Amino acid sequence: LAKTTQPISMDSYEGQEVNITCSHNNIATNDYITWYQQFPSQGPRFIIQGYKTKVTNEVASLFIPADRKSSTLSLPRVSLSDTAVYYCLVGGGGNKLTFGTGTQLKVEL
Amino acid sequence: DAGITQSPRHKVTETGTPVTLRCHQTENHRYMYWYRQDPGHGLRLIHYSYGVKDTDKGEVSDGYSVSRSKTEDFLLTLESATSSQTSVYFCAISESIFGGSPSTDTQYFGPGTRLTVL
Repeated sequence: LAKTTQPISMDSYEGQEVNITCSHNNIATNDYITWYQQFPSQGPRFIIQGYKTKVTNEVASLFIPADRKSSTLSLPRVSLSDTAVYYCLVGGGGNKLTFGTGTQLKVEL
Repeated sequence: DAGITQSPRHKVTETGTPVTLRCHQTENHRYMYWYRQDPGHGLRLIHYSYGVKDTDKGEVSDGYSVSRSKTEDFLLTLESATSSQTSVYFCAISESIFGGSPSTDTQYFGPGTRLTVL
């Protein structure tokens, strides 16, 4: 099961771009990279998923280098409502994914 | 949002009493999961189900049992609650095994149940 490492916390200001990097050195060939977002008192919510290069949706972008040993979640022009915990998960191929402790993002005015 | 409800949403109970939490889905998804979330530990998988009457253990299953007699309902039971089981419990569903093949599957989470064991 691929282990992930991400920063415990990050601070930002409204309007800025936030990049959260996740390390996953032992990612397997069949593994995908998935990010979830969790607000206080709510369950996690799927944000984005990718396998390689770049994926973009209406919420975020996910950048994955060629060696796939890390990934970066990019949140453009964050607002106060983006304050949440962000989880990076890596897995697939029959293994159940596990959540780590995530990155607490705090956005201020 | 996916049709997942959990009941009760809040519960306070005493050590040694049995407690049952209910997860109900209207999505007809095959897989259902129970997690607990504690400060400093993130989410940890307790049990999961891959069909009616088919369940398996997660990483923190001791002290918990589950049952799934219908596709839409997944019950989590604490036979004799202890203070260490004070936590927030989340139910989740997915169409295929989370993290399995295809890996593009995602989980959808319920609103959570806050359980306090005194």
